[in-house]
Amino acid sequence: GNSVTQMEGPVTLSEEAFLTINCTYTATGYPSLFWYVQYPGEGLQLLLKATKADDKGSNKGFEATYRKETTSFHLEKGSVQVSDSAVYFCALQQTSGSRLTFGEGTQLTVNP
Amino acid sequence: DTGVSQNPRHKITKRGQNVTFRCDPISEHNRLYWYRQTLGQGPEFLTYFQNEAQLEKSRLLSDRFSAERPKGSFSTLEIQRTEQGDSAMYLCASSLVRQMNTEAFFGQGTRLTVV
Repeated sequence: GNSVTQMEGPVTLSEEAFLTINCTYTATGYPSLFWYVQYPGEGLQLLLKATKADDKGSNKGFEATYRKETTSFHLEKGSVQVSDSAVYFCALQQTSGSRLTFGEGTQLTVNP
Repeated sequence: DTGVSQNPRHKITKRGQNVTFRCDPISEHNRLYWYRQTLGQGPEFLTYFQNEAQLEKSRLLSDRFSAERPKGSFSTLEIQRTEQGDSAMYLCASSLVRQMNTEAFFGQGTRLTVV
């Protein structure tokens, strides 16, 4: 079945540091890939998405590129801010409108 | 539109009791999804509806769980004879599946604690 694996453990960075959160997936065909973010006390929000190989999703300074050859969708940001502190979830969707399969989430803490 | 609304936000119940949660999706969204999230884990799919039809149920959804969307608008998720292992955040999401590249919008969830 489909699965998503995110890098283990919380991530703690200083403000303006470079961020990478790794995400790899297992699925058949060409799923759509997503990054969701969950700020403290709030619901999941879509951060960015990519629907086909080599697509780059971007939003709020975050980027991720759909790499079919490595089955990866790593999240990056060049300069993080304290307000980026949240839990980030990688997810895949096999077909449009079908269930989402999530990774376990990565807690990001950015210190001033 | 105020987004996906879930009620109650928190529920504490004794083991063995029944509980029911409600989800009001974004109006005119035709798909509605239920997920369960335990501490430190990502959401796990439970079931989803296309209008009033329940199209898929996860193996996680035991016989004690039932979900309905009677008129294709709001949905309810009922858990009968609750167990401590049912303690989790129950998330609802909705989307408009009319074209490619649909986005699922999530509610803030109902946190269930079984004591």
